[in-house]
Amino acid sequence: ETGVTQTPRHLVMGMTNKKSLKCEQHLGHNAMYWYKQSAKKPLELMFVYSLEERVENNSVPSRFSPECPNSSHLFLHLHTLQPEDSALYLCASSQASSGDLNNEQFFGPGTRLTVL
Amino acid sequence: GQQLNQSPQSMFIQEGEDVSMNCTSSSIFNTWLWYKQEPGEGPVLLIALYKAGELTSNGRLTAQFGITRKDSFLNISASIPSDVGIYFCAGPDGGATNKLIFGTGTLLAVQP
Repeated sequence: ETGVTQTPRHLVMGMTNKKSLKCEQHLGHNAMYWYKQSAKKPLELMFVYSLEERVENNSVPSRFSPECPNSSHLFLHLHTLQPEDSALYLCASSQASSGDLNNEQFFGPGTRLTVL
Repeated sequence: GQQLNQSPQSMFIQEGEDVSMNCTSSSIFNTWLWYKQEPGEGPVLLIALYKAGELTSNGRLTAQFGITRKDSFLNISASIPSDVGIYFCAGPDGGATNKLIFGTGTLLAVQP
């Protein structure tokens, strides 16, 4: 138990569906991240929020839309996804100071997404 | 962009053996982190290194921050079946927000 929870753990959706992934951290951190993990590829950073403000958008397609309503919660809204978007989506959190993201990130268990 | 290369890509060993893996970069890092990811789970932080030459242990795990700042090593002594997983190195990219980049991972399989 790392203090970061993600729901759902598994999700199967069609290309026309709209769904959302949820992440919650119980560590008192002020920075949260979305990563995509595909087979045989390094972890890909998607979005970073620090103090509820988006500070990084790593050229992610607009069919992925993040939301950070407060420092403990992070969402990833999905719509009109493609089969190649199937992957493990990981959420992480850390403690940032003076705009510098603390490098020690704590990860949730991930959501295994399958797009049909 | 910066890349972290890990070797070996995979290891298949017998229980009780020692394991050594490394991570190299073409550029200097000021921090090295080692994570382990088990099947169906997210990565878990094992060891963090902040100083060139630093040697840090966590139980049977020992990691070193290379003197050149371009590499790091992770050793596991007397491996056990629960050591199975993918081991990732990571380091901050030195950009405006110093976000992490991750290595390609080393898959470890331990046969009882």
